[in-house]
Amino acid sequence: KNEVEQSPQNLTAQEGEFITINCSYSVGISALHWLQQHPGGGIVSLFMLSSGKKKHGRLIATINIQEKHSSLHITASHPRDSAVYICAVEADDMRFGAGTRLTVKP
Amino acid sequence: AAGVIQSPRHLIKEKRETATLKCYPIPRHDTVYWYQQGPGQDPQFLISFYEKMQSDKGSIPDRFSAQQFSDYHSELNMSSLELGDSALYFCASRTGRTYEQYFGPGTRLTVT
Repeated sequence: KNEVEQSPQNLTAQEGEFITINCSYSVGISALHWLQQHPGGGIVSLFMLSSGKKKHGRLIATINIQEKHSSLHITASHPRDSAVYICAVEADDMRFGAGTRLTVKP
Repeated sequence: AAGVIQSPRHLIKEKRETATLKCYPIPRHDTVYWYQQGPGQDPQFLISFYEKMQSDKGSIPDRFSAQQFSDYHSELNMSSLELGDSALYFCASRTGRTYEQYFGPGTRLTVT
């Protein structure tokens, strides 16, 4: 069993829909990252969380340390949000989820 | 399934020394990315290689160099180390057919 589990693996949505990607982890962590990667590019860091909730534009990330769970929400999704979203946790090193491939259709 | 392998996992060096970090991609993956993550910071893209050629360059200092070899493994060479180079360095690999990157566990470099 992976130490970082993401769901769903693949997600297709219509433009404007509210999207949620989930991440569960089984190790003690000092921080959790949500990363975005577009085709052909490197990763872009969206959020770093150690508690609570953060918001940036249409993106919201939450973390529940007790439940070892984090969610990434995208409001009013747009085709340009199509990418792979990766959850990564900092333990004594970085542990990565397998990623969620999001496709937003116009 | 085979994963991305990095070595060493931990490395301690003194200021002004050199360090070499190695990344072994998943078999048949032809692209390697290097990232640096300082304490409490977001990961930063350093450099990437495709088919043994540099494909993209990020915030890699001039003191650092990297290459990808014929077996597709990559090495990050770091010279004149500074205290600020202390970080987790991780690499990722992918195949040209998809764009999902698979990440290695990282090398934690401590410069004293």
